[in-house]
Amino acid sequence: QVTLKESGPVLVKPTETLTLTCTVSGFSLSNARMGVSWIRQPPGKALEWLAHIFSNDEKSYSTSLKSRLTISKDTSKSQVVLTMTNMDPVDTATYYCARIRNSGDLYYFDYWGQGTLVTVSS
Amino acid sequence: EIVMTQSPATLSVSPGERATLSCRASQSVSSNLAWYQQKPGQAPRLLIYGASTRATGIPARFSGSGSGTEFTLTISSLQSEDFAVYYCQQYNNWPSPVTFGQGTRLEIK
Repeated sequence: QVTLKESGPVLVKPTETLTLTCTVSGFSLSNARMGVSWIRQPPGKALEWLAHIFSNDEKSYSTSLKSRLTISKDTSKSQVVLTMTNMDPVDTATYYCARIRNSGDLYYFDYWGQGTLVTVSS
Repeated sequence: EIVMTQSPATLSVSPGERATLSCRASQSVSSNLAWYQQKPGQAPRLLIYGASTRATGIPARFSGSGSGTEFTLTISSLQSEDFAVYYCQQYNNWPSPVTFGQGTRLEIK
């Protein structure tokens, strides 16, 4: 059974750095056809992709947030970590991690975590 | 960055009727498009990938079509559990940035 679970602080102050962890089970982060993405959703708004990391450690970041994001993985712990610097109230959102599945030329997010709401406020 | 535009923003349809949701890309994404369903308080659920392939466990009333810049999600006979927000998402030129549309809210008429 594939599961992903996000963990991290529920409240951060402006200018602080957010660190979120996605712990996965039911698959390996070393699987050549899989990776993990982070996606966020401000309250009442649309989904916004942030970053992903693939099994070969290939990484990609949102163009608009690239300077603030770092994604990494610890395969032995089955964890993917996202850090976002200089947090602002506009970064208040539910943060999801999702599994990337590769099939031929196709890539899609087939399993999602439940999400974790992060509020940025002083 | 590829911009995904969904229309309409809100669609009101009666149960049992057909719903047609549109998604347009600012440049060609070939068939590198997925559709997701999201219900209040829940994570998104994958419906369609590769523009037209249903994900595991997705009912046959959901179908996707299109390629290039124009895509459609059709729900042939709406059930009560289908009323939700639907997002399209492109992943062209992997590992280039992924983008989502702004969503279409499907509501009961």
